[in-house]
Amino acid sequence: NAGVMQNPRHLVRRRGQEARLRCSPMKGHSHVYWYRQLPEEGLKFMVYLQKENIIDESGMPKERFSAEFPKEGPSILRIQQVVRGDSAAYFCASSPSTGRGYGYTFGSGTRLTVV
Amino acid sequence: AQTVTQSQPEMSVQEAETVTLSCTYDTSESDYYLFWYKQPPSRQMILVIRQEAYKQQNATENRFSVNFQKAAKSFSLKISDSQLGDAAMYFCAYRSQNGASNTGKLIFGQGTTLQVKP
Repeated sequence: NAGVMQNPRHLVRRRGQEARLRCSPMKGHSHVYWYRQLPEEGLKFMVYLQKENIIDESGMPKERFSAEFPKEGPSILRIQQVVRGDSAAYFCASSPSTGRGYGYTFGSGTRLTVV
Repeated sequence: AQTVTQSQPEMSVQEAETVTLSCTYDTSESDYYLFWYKQPPSRQMILVIRQEAYKQQNATENRFSVNFQKAAKSFSLKISDSQLGDAAMYFCAYRSQNGASNTGKLIFGQGTTLQVKP
């Protein structure tokens, strides 16, 4: 069982470019969460998805950010027209359920640097 | 809305000694989980311990234990016999289990950086 796979591990983008971050959940996990960690801060919830559905996007910025979790393939967090303030570590976590007793597995994160 | 506060940005402990990291939270809910996560320099988020709010008994995992005070909304982590490998950033986190609030998302504190001195 490979765990939660995130790629790339590091991503450098120039201002105005697009960033695509990928997350493959653990086998059997159908719930995916994205979190953002700014330097020296805790993780902040961005979005929660199940296959083909966005369940809770209350933490997503209103513009430039989008997420998807298609029926086949990894979950994608997409940031359009990146700005320096988007520089952060982005983490994905997956879970088999939101029910009692179920935990999460985190990926190792993608560090986005906007130059 | 729920909040989680870690008031100690940095802590240090001598190897083999005991250290306690503080966490307080604010919620009007009665059913929730609390977690401590460890984040070493590799950035990997590692679950250290978790506590269910309806369980009065404090959770323990080997050298790690918690002091859960539900009325005071306090959830501290005690690390006994500290080891060099315990050096990391530690995050306290909250997860609702109440009905419509239960999307499973975690609310994190700001983190405490733990230094272990040899």
